[in-house]
Amino acid sequence: DTGVSQNPRHKITKRGQNVTFRCDPISEHNRLYWYRQTLGQGPEFLTYFQNEAQLEKSRLLSDRFSAERPKGSFSTLEIQRTEQGDSAMYLCASSPPGSRQPQHFGDGTRLSIL
Amino acid sequence: AQSVTQLDSQVPVFEEAPVELRCNYSSSVSVYLFWYVQYPNQGLQLLLKYLSGSTLVKGINGFEAEFNKSQTSFHLRKPSVHISDTAEYFCAVNGRDDKIIFGKGTRLHILP
Repeated sequence: DTGVSQNPRHKITKRGQNVTFRCDPISEHNRLYWYRQTLGQGPEFLTYFQNEAQLEKSRLLSDRFSAERPKGSFSTLEIQRTEQGDSAMYLCASSPPGSRQPQHFGDGTRLSIL
Repeated sequence: AQSVTQLDSQVPVFEEAPVELRCNYSSSVSVYLFWYVQYPNQGLQLLLKYLSGSTLVKGINGFEAEFNKSQTSFHLRKPSVHISDTAEYFCAVNGRDDKIIFGKGTRLHILP
């Protein structure tokens, strides 16, 4: 069990630029989740995948956000035309097959918009 | 819909003293409950979980929590805290749709 891996750990970019984050889940986990965490708040659900299928998207995920998990392994989260309000920690989690399993989190990618 | 309320945003406690972090939840369906810990600049680590069975759940690092269905609470306790317990603690509920809903967190400050 190597844990959930997220890259990069930090990303600083200018407003209006596009950014992409990567998440590698624990290998035997078929579910993968993305959350956003702003300062002083708990993580907020963005979207999740079961294998390669994206099953749910939060209303927080505007049309500037897109997530993929093309082969049911790693996932990417892309934000286009970044805005000041996108500054946050983006967390990825994965869980094994079965209903309502605990989720295992990566260390997150901290995004700062200049 | 499910929701989680963590009643204290910050809790200061002296080293080696006991601590209780409070959590209340609401849900129209049966729930699974979790406590996660987040150290600075890190992701969340699972402390303990309640799925069913005994209402007293023991977790890592000497923490335990008690599920109280009548009071819809899941308070986290530790009999003697250490400086290394300084972190943010999140209570969470997982309802029928497998999404986890987190509380806003409680920052635990350990005083020397």
